[in-house]
Amino acid sequence: DAKTTQPPSMDCAEGRAANLPCNHSTISGNEYVYWYRQIHSQGPQYIIHGLKNNETNEMASLIITEDRKSSTLILPHATLRDTAVYYCIAAFGNEKLTFGTGTRLTIIP
Amino acid sequence: KAGVTQTPRYLIKTRGQQVTLSCSPISGHRSVSWYQQTPGQGLQFLFEYFSETQRNKGNFPGRFSGRQFSNSRSEMNVSTLELGDSALYLCASSLGPRITDTQYFGPGTRLTVL
Repeated sequence: DAKTTQPPSMDCAEGRAANLPCNHSTISGNEYVYWYRQIHSQGPQYIIHGLKNNETNEMASLIITEDRKSSTLILPHATLRDTAVYYCIAAFGNEKLTFGTGTRLTIIP
Repeated sequence: KAGVTQTPRYLIKTRGQQVTLSCSPISGHRSVSWYQQTPGQGLQFLFEYFSETQRNKGNFPGRFSGRQFSNSRSEMNVSTLELGDSALYLCASSLGPRITDTQYFGPGTRLTVL
């Protein structure tokens, strides 16, 4: 079973920041938070991951709360190409990725 | 650097047949994982290979098997196909087997069982 909870769907206006929440209240101290997205009919695409500190890369920012019970993926300037299903995953060590149902993000023109 | 490639991209088979899918990982990656994606069950982990050894296996029947070659290329086989095996089969490669070794996915093979 997935260890994370995400809203099933969200909308965001094009050009605005998209903030995707993820709840992982039972996460353990050595579990990483990973974000992937899947554009229709393609393989999942890695976005970003973090353990405790906030992370930023060319695609997105990951904000992890101090208690690590939740996190937010931020796409700073959403475009239509960001329409996809976004998966938040908590895993550690030699575990494999367990995908939940994710959040279907729709970018509105 | 070339990404993960999967062949074939589309496949149609009939019940009872068997099928072999192929995955070529990113150059230098030694870990290959396979996933099944269906509308009803979502993305489910099948198995993982690292250095030609199966390291992890998901909750699938023995009809599903795989192997990895010395060049890290991997194949998965499904025998005695059932209608419920219709799915998108995804392969992901990573440098190694640890969770911190980011997995990069291929485009998938869409299998239809009639």
